[in-house]
Amino acid sequence: AQKVTQAQTEISVVEKEDVTLDCVYETRDTTYYLFWYKQPPSGELVFLIRRNSFDEQNEISGRYSWNFQKSTSSFNFTITASQVVDSAVYFCALTIPNTDKLIFGTGTRLQVFP
Amino acid sequence: GAGVSQSPRYKVAKRGQDVALRCDPISGHVSLFWYQQALGQGPEFLTYFQNEAQLDKSGLPSDRFFAERPEGSVSTLKIQRTQQEDSAVYLCASSLDQRGWDEQFFGPGTRLTVL
Repeated sequence: AQKVTQAQTEISVVEKEDVTLDCVYETRDTTYYLFWYKQPPSGELVFLIRRNSFDEQNEISGRYSWNFQKSTSSFNFTITASQVVDSAVYFCALTIPNTDKLIFGTGTRLQVFP
Repeated sequence: GAGVSQSPRYKVAKRGQDVALRCDPISGHVSLFWYQQALGQGPEFLTYFQNEAQLDKSGLPSDRFFAERPEGSVSTLKIQRTQQEDSAVYLCASSLDQRGWDEQFFGPGTRLTVL
């Protein structure tokens, strides 16, 4: 069975601090895909990134970066120089081919204070 | 372009009532998903359509839940004889292709409260 664990329930930081959101996943499949979604107060989930299990290269997009490590089954997300607009709930998710569904973690609520 | 839309945004039902939740996916998207999100939790998969075919309904919690997508576009999630434990946000998502790893575009959700 597949499982995603986000141990951090809530994180509070002050603007301009860097923050890392942890994600640990479990699957016996060798081919799988990992995602991060952002859920602002409006409620609509916004796609941030997708990685496949064969691509362990870290990725950077502006202030966002992702660290994928198969050895520890982790896919962590770092926001550099956080801003108030980053305040949201962030979800890590996993899917494997031919199952169609996303398996979500319980989310991490990030609050960025000015 | 228009994103995924859902209606109503909020629904209050008395226990035992039937409800119908609507999802309008992005035009041309083949795949459509329904998820249930309880307060403080991550979304949980309910069911999946590829065009009009319901290929996976393993996440539906009981036979009171029924989903359809008769013309391969708009979808309706129906809950019969609602119970308090059905209170949640129901999210709809669509993706362009039928591959499970495609980006899913989510609607704003319908918040269902059962009294």
